[in-house]
Amino acid sequence: SQELEQSPQSLIVQEGKNLTINCTSSKTLYGLYWYKQKYGEGLIFLMMLQKGGEEKSHEKITAKLDEKKQQSSLHITASQPSHAGIYLCGADVDQGGKLIFGQGTELSVKP
Amino acid sequence: DARVTQTPRHKVTEMGQEVTMRCQPILGHNTVFWYRQTMMQGLELLAYFRNRAPLDDSGMPKDRFSAEMPDATLATLKIQPSEPRDSAVYFCASGLVRKDRLPSYEQYFGPGTRLTVT
Repeated sequence: SQELEQSPQSLIVQEGKNLTINCTSSKTLYGLYWYKQKYGEGLIFLMMLQKGGEEKSHEKITAKLDEKKQQSSLHITASQPSHAGIYLCGADVDQGGKLIFGQGTELSVKP
Repeated sequence: DARVTQTPRHKVTEMGQEVTMRCQPILGHNTVFWYRQTMMQGLELLAYFRNRAPLDDSGMPKDRFSAEMPDATLATLKIQPSEPRDSAVYFCASGLVRKDRLPSYEQYFGPGTRLTVT
């Protein structure tokens, strides 16, 4: 969806390096979801953010929602080959619970 | 380990044939979504239900697609007749809406049905 832009589209990093993926909305985000997808598989739920300034972490992955609730970032610390995949952000922009999705960021981690 | 299940996982059919995809949401979840994923369009919402009632199906081609929830444990997406442009991965997702956590809530996806229409 053009309402939700992810950057970068693809990313190749060396194992052990940190990285950040961004998700920017043209509308207020009432809920921002981060998912991970491996080719040919379903989406794995990572985190959901709702409040401006909110930050959540799971293992080495941290996601933040900015104060204005129009942008989110996903940060991976000390990347590992297991982090490779496509990261998708999904957004609830009308408080109805239905999501629009970004185009995804394909992450490769070189051993 | 509660999961959304979908059947079949893969389906190859000829143009003009009817296709039915099934989804079993996580037990206790009251909201079910159908999404379609293609390389060109990415992930798009087709329709969704709450407490088995359809809330929005504006993303669905009305002339050939239909979605139903015969009961709380089964959601179906039917395409009749199928066309090559329907080739995609179809995902079902479910979530539990709670008034104390509105407006948003966690949504869990199934493994998808990969549909190929020749």
